[in-house]
Amino acid sequence: DGGITQSPKYLFRKEGQNVTLSCEQNLNHDAMYWYRQDPGQGLRLIYYSQIVNDFQKGDIAEGYSVSREKKESFPLTVTSAQKNPTAFYLCASSIIPPGAQPQHFGDGTRLSIL
Amino acid sequence: SQQGEEDPQALSIQEGENATMNCSYKTSINNLQWYRQNSGRGLVHLILIRSNEREKHSGRLRVTLDTSKKSSSLLITASRAADTASYFCATDARGGSNYKLTFGKGTLLTVNP
Repeated sequence: DGGITQSPKYLFRKEGQNVTLSCEQNLNHDAMYWYRQDPGQGLRLIYYSQIVNDFQKGDIAEGYSVSREKKESFPLTVTSAQKNPTAFYLCASSIIPPGAQPQHFGDGTRLSIL
Repeated sequence: SQQGEEDPQALSIQEGENATMNCSYKTSINNLQWYRQNSGRGLVHLILIRSNEREKHSGRLRVTLDTSKKSSSLLITASRAADTASYFCATDARGGSNYKLTFGKGTLLTVNP
């Protein structure tokens, strides 16, 4: 079955540590996205990528970094510069617009500080 | 601030009743989408309505869009306990990036058996 796989499901970060969240899709989608969700809040866009080797900052990119070396993969690194990393992180993908297209989501990674 | 705002924040109904959730937004849009999120899971796309459409149906779902009032509603008919979830609207602003969806804070729907 096609879909998006995020791993790990739970992740703990120590002070000063960078951690990387994995996102893999087999939907053959060109566009991929990373969102952050805080309790009782909607999703906020961190980064998105339209094609391999290209990505753009979203609304809250500070303290995060991404790479897009393969079409299927879009890992997110939460750096030590992100002072409040505790949140639920969601990865999504879609076919290329024009016009908005439905986004397909993974089941998320919950990141906490140790 | 969020482009879309859902109302109410929480809704509790009995199985078999209809559930109506509303979404208001601030700027002109190209499209509006509704998503569902079960607790601790990712979002699932429900329906997309374009700015030139007024109503769409999908199974027990009915979505309306009123661009003059900058609002949309999602109606779930004959609700089931399995409909218990959070529901989000998402918009892409006219003149903005085709890739960027802005999500509201969601409505938490509880359907009691």
